[in-house]
Amino acid sequence: DAKTTQPPSMDCAEGRAANLPCNHSTISGNEYVYWYRQIHSQGPQYIIHGLKNNETNEMASLIITEDRKSSTLILPHATLRDTAVYYCIVRPSRGGSNYKLTFGKGTLLTVNP
Amino acid sequence: SAVISQKPSRDICQRGTSLTIQCQVDSQVTMMFWYRQQPGQSLTLIATANQGSEATYESGFVIDKFPISRPNLTFSTLTVSNMSPEDSSIYLCSVRTADSYEQYFGPGTRLTVT
Repeated sequence: DAKTTQPPSMDCAEGRAANLPCNHSTISGNEYVYWYRQIHSQGPQYIIHGLKNNETNEMASLIITEDRKSSTLILPHATLRDTAVYYCIVRPSRGGSNYKLTFGKGTLLTVNP
Repeated sequence: SAVISQKPSRDICQRGTSLTIQCQVDSQVTMMFWYRQQPGQSLTLIATANQGSEATYESGFVIDKFPISRPNLTFSTLTVSNMSPEDSSIYLCSVRTADSYEQYFGPGTRLTVT
């Protein structure tokens, strides 16, 4: 499986955009980029995923570089409730044996008032 | 989406005993997984629960220590056997449906072994 590299921690001011980077330089052509987050004492929550195009949903935007070796998760207006550990994960498309989500250490995002 | 419940939500157990954790999903799912999250650590996949057959364990995890059952498409159990303090962790159930890219997680079971 491709590996990801994320900064261990980041701070963001409430109301500002939070930009969380992820490096995945060994990503394969059929691997998607997934983002999950884990708020303290809760199970991980799916945020967004993408293959090569930028994606946006009600929670966040995902920007993937053209060479697909890195991506950025953007929370456009961070709130205190967005304080969590954010995990960037690469995984082959659904189906086949490589369906498992493998979690790295993630980035602890702290949103400050 | 899938709504997942786990029982118990937390427990304190004595060394040498066993605890069975239940995972119930509100809809039929294709894949069910069990993860462990040790204090201050990330999630580690224990095994994939297969309906009607033996679970598929990840490296470092064995059936004798973590027996798993999955009798149908909505229910699974994980047993932590012969517990030691090192088994103190949060245990999470996770599911995927056939038509979704998303993987959903339960709230977890917080286990403390004394």
